[in-house]
Amino acid sequence: GQQLNQSPQSMFIQEGEDVSMNCTSSSIFNTWLWYKQDPGEGPVLLIALYKAGELTSNGRLTAQFGITRKDSFLNISASIPSDVGIYFCAGPTTDSWGKFQFGAGTQVVVTP
Amino acid sequence: DAGVIQSPRHEVTEMGQEVTLRCKPISGHDYLFWYRQTMMRGLELLIYFNNNVPIDDSGMPEDRFSAKMPNASFSTLKIQPSEPRDSAVYFCASTLYGGGYNEQFFGPGTRLTVL
Repeated sequence: GQQLNQSPQSMFIQEGEDVSMNCTSSSIFNTWLWYKQDPGEGPVLLIALYKAGELTSNGRLTAQFGITRKDSFLNISASIPSDVGIYFCAGPTTDSWGKFQFGAGTQVVVTP
Repeated sequence: DAGVIQSPRHEVTEMGQEVTLRCKPISGHDYLFWYRQTMMRGLELLIYFNNNVPIDDSGMPEDRFSAKMPNASFSTLKIQPSEPRDSAVYFCASTLYGGGYNEQFFGPGTRLTVL
C-alpha cells in the first residue's frame, strides 16, 4: 500500500529562523495538502497543491509540489511563536475520492 | 459560519463502559470522516460516510467500534465496551464533493481517556 513519510519528526528553533519540512510518498500523488494543528485543536488546512512543480505561498508559508509527484515541501520563513504546532502533509489514497492519508507530523517548537 | 461541532470535548470513563462521541458536520457537506489520533499511530481514518451511507469502514479497529449517520447533520461513533488502549483524540471532519481543494474541515476533537 501507499506509504507517506514526513520529516523531521520535530524541530526546535529560535524565533526568526526559517523552518523546512518535507513529505515523500511511495506512489504518485495528484494532490498534496499541508495542515497545521494547534495544541488542543483539530488540523486546519494551510496550503493545497494540485500540479507537479507548483509553488504556492500563504503569508510566510511556502509549499511546493515535487516534480516527481512523490514529494512535497513546506517552508516557514521568519518563524514566530504562534507557528508552534504540528504540521501534517496529506495526500489522496487510491481508494476513492475524499479519502486522504496523513503523514506522521512535524512538531515545531519556537523559542523566543 | 459554524464549523464542525463535536461533543463532548473531553470524556473520561472506566474500562468496560460504553462511550458515544457525537459530531455535527458543516451544513451542506456530503462527506463525513471519523479519525483517531494517538502518539504512536498518528492520525488514522476510522470510517467515512457519503450522503449518510458508510463507504469505507476498513479503519475501524474491531467490532467494539461502530458508527452511524442517521441524517445529514449528525453522526455518532460508539465504543462498547471501551478499553484503555482506546484512549486517544477522536476527530470528525466533513467536506463537500467538488467543493474545491478537497479540503476536509476538522472539528476540535474529543479527548477520550479510558481508565
